[in-house]
Amino acid sequence: NAGVTQTPKFQVLKTGQSMTLQCAQDMNHEYMSWYRQDPGMGLRLIHYSVGAGITDQGEVPNGYNVSRSTTEDFPLRLLSAAPSQTSVYFCASSRTDLDEKLFFGSGTQLSVL
Amino acid sequence: KNQVEQSPQSLIILEGKNCTLQCNYTVSPFSNLRWYKQDTGRGPVSLTIMTFSENTKSNGRYTATLDADTKQSSLHITASQLSDSASYICVIQSTNAGKSTFGDGTTLTVKP
Repeated sequence: NAGVTQTPKFQVLKTGQSMTLQCAQDMNHEYMSWYRQDPGMGLRLIHYSVGAGITDQGEVPNGYNVSRSTTEDFPLRLLSAAPSQTSVYFCASSRTDLDEKLFFGSGTQLSVL
Repeated sequence: KNQVEQSPQSLIILEGKNCTLQCNYTVSPFSNLRWYKQDTGRGPVSLTIMTFSENTKSNGRYTATLDADTKQSSLHITASQLSDSASYICVIQSTNAGKSTFGDGTTLTVKP
């Protein structure tokens, strides 16, 4: 059972480039979410989804897009990368959106030059 | 202002000693409180989950307490091991769907 799989593990971009961070889970979880973690700060919610075809904005959604075409996959798209988006990104899932523990991926270290 | 405050920011203890980490929150409405352990370079892993009505929850050497009246929680680690070195994160789940607020974490270092 792989759990939550994130790719790539590391990525370097130039300002203005676009890219997609991949996230897949094999636990049939309804809830999936993306967070960014910056030094000295707590995890901040970017976008989340409570089921296939449903997405919503979190605390810091600007500059990011998501889609949820299947239960398993929840990709995060950076439209035009900026240095302020340099961070570690975590994808997480849980069975439902309430009262459930989150299962996290191993993270993607993104640097924008 | 962060609605979840953790203290101390960092802590160093000797192997075998006990320690207590604190979490104060103002998030409302409240559904549950969770403690996660995050090893360096890894994603957080759930340790405990407590609902509003629970006062304490244990997971091996980890014991979490919750005082919903004072909006305080603590995570007590007994007989610490080198593998306990990690960041410990307090998370408050609001009753609003999809809304979790994360604390900044306490970085624990256990030395031999």
